[in-house]
Amino acid sequence: ETGVTQTPRHLVMGMTNKKSLKCEQHLGHNAMYWYKQSAKKPLELMFVYSLEERVENNSVPSRFSPECPNSSHLFLHLHTLQPEDSALYLCASSQDGDVGFTDTQYFGPGTRLTVL
Amino acid sequence: GQQVMQIPQYQHVQEGEDFTTYCNSSTTLSNIQWYKQRPGGHPVFLIQLVKSGEVKKQKRLTFQFGEAKKNSSLHITATQTTDVGTYFCAGMNSGGYQKVTFGTGTKLQVIP
Repeated sequence: ETGVTQTPRHLVMGMTNKKSLKCEQHLGHNAMYWYKQSAKKPLELMFVYSLEERVENNSVPSRFSPECPNSSHLFLHLHTLQPEDSALYLCASSQDGDVGFTDTQYFGPGTRLTVL
Repeated sequence: GQQVMQIPQYQHVQEGEDFTTYCNSSTTLSNIQWYKQRPGGHPVFLIQLVKSGEVKKQKRLTFQFGEAKKNSSLHITATQTTDVGTYFCAGMNSGGYQKVTFGTGTKLQVIP
């Protein structure tokens, strides 16, 4: 399963660091997503990009900054994070239609982030 | 906003026993998807249900979409240790701009 790749797989950072998570999809999809998965909580949708344009931001703190330079690549820039931001960050992609998200999402392996 | 709940939250079964997880949405769904996440892994798509009352089978797995399109179930017959993991449903709202809301998940443990 290498359709959606994420790097790094593990990341430990201090609260004052700046780091970036990278996602790449090789499926020819036109939409990409960032999710946060914390222990004992459902998957939380953070950002959606469709055709490289951000279409949804579920009130995510500004210390998370997404970037989608093209339909195959998605970044999540991190700065001044808090310990409660420690979680598994999952990227996904799908092929979407004109009226929203109608197709299956394919997930990457995730980046396990620990904020000290 | 739309909420999708799953029960039970955890389930331990003896190998060979059956298992069922239920998914309930606060709003009518246009479709529902099921995912499996192995321990330490990422969600993997299993199936999508679209029609009211639809039933689909994959070997020992049976998926059902309710008549009102507000609930769904996943039933595993004769569980095996390879079935261990967390099963998520994900509902897509009907009407307006569509988005997917994931359920809370059911963690299945199979005892050999």
